[in-house]
Amino acid sequence: GALVYQYPRRTICKSGTSMRMECQAVGFQATSVAWYRQSPQKTFELIALSTVNSAIKYEQNFTQEKFPISHPNLSFSSMTVLNAYLEDRGLYLCGARDNTEVFFGKGTRLTVV
Amino acid sequence: GDKVKQSPSALSLQEGTNSALRCNFSIAATTVQWFLQNPRGSLINLFYLVPGTKENGRLKSAFDSKESYSTLHIRDAQLEDSGTYFCAAEAGTNAYKVIFGKGTHLHVLP
Repeated sequence: GALVYQYPRRTICKSGTSMRMECQAVGFQATSVAWYRQSPQKTFELIALSTVNSAIKYEQNFTQEKFPISHPNLSFSSMTVLNAYLEDRGLYLCGARDNTEVFFGKGTRLTVV
Repeated sequence: GDKVKQSPSALSLQEGTNSALRCNFSIAATTVQWFLQNPRGSLINLFYLVPGTKENGRLKSAFDSKESYSTLHIRDAQLEDSGTYFCAAEAGTNAYKVIFGKGTHLHVLP
């Protein structure tokens, strides 16, 4: 079956440092990958949508300079939170889509200390 | 306004009773997903729906794209059903973009 793995599942970084998280699609080809953030007590906000062979589109309030994303092939994507501060803490969710359905991972929980 | 609006925002249920959660869309939703985020923060995928219904154990979900809503019915609620239920819709005009609702916080009481 189709699965999306995200790692690490949980991570802690010091304020001002950067954290890279990964998203692996298994059993299907991820033609597009979306990254979301859930801040504490909030819902999931779309950060950016990456479609293979197209430019990555960032939502308002999110930038490539802060959240650079790589989507080098149809099974893998990574996103880095650069210069993380307290407001960046939360659950980062990856949703990968083939031609029929969107599959979500279980998220990477980021704590900033 | 919210493109994916969930109701109620919070709900308390006695164990063993039934309830329904609802999601209304102001976008042309083509697919809907329902998730449970348990009190530890883990996200569980419950249903992926095109227009129609699905059932899994004590849970049943329906999606009516013409009337722009989806429902999640919980039968015989158990303590482990507690958590936040999110619905998320994919819009036909931008089919790769999934928009989440703000969630319904469910508390099942013993």
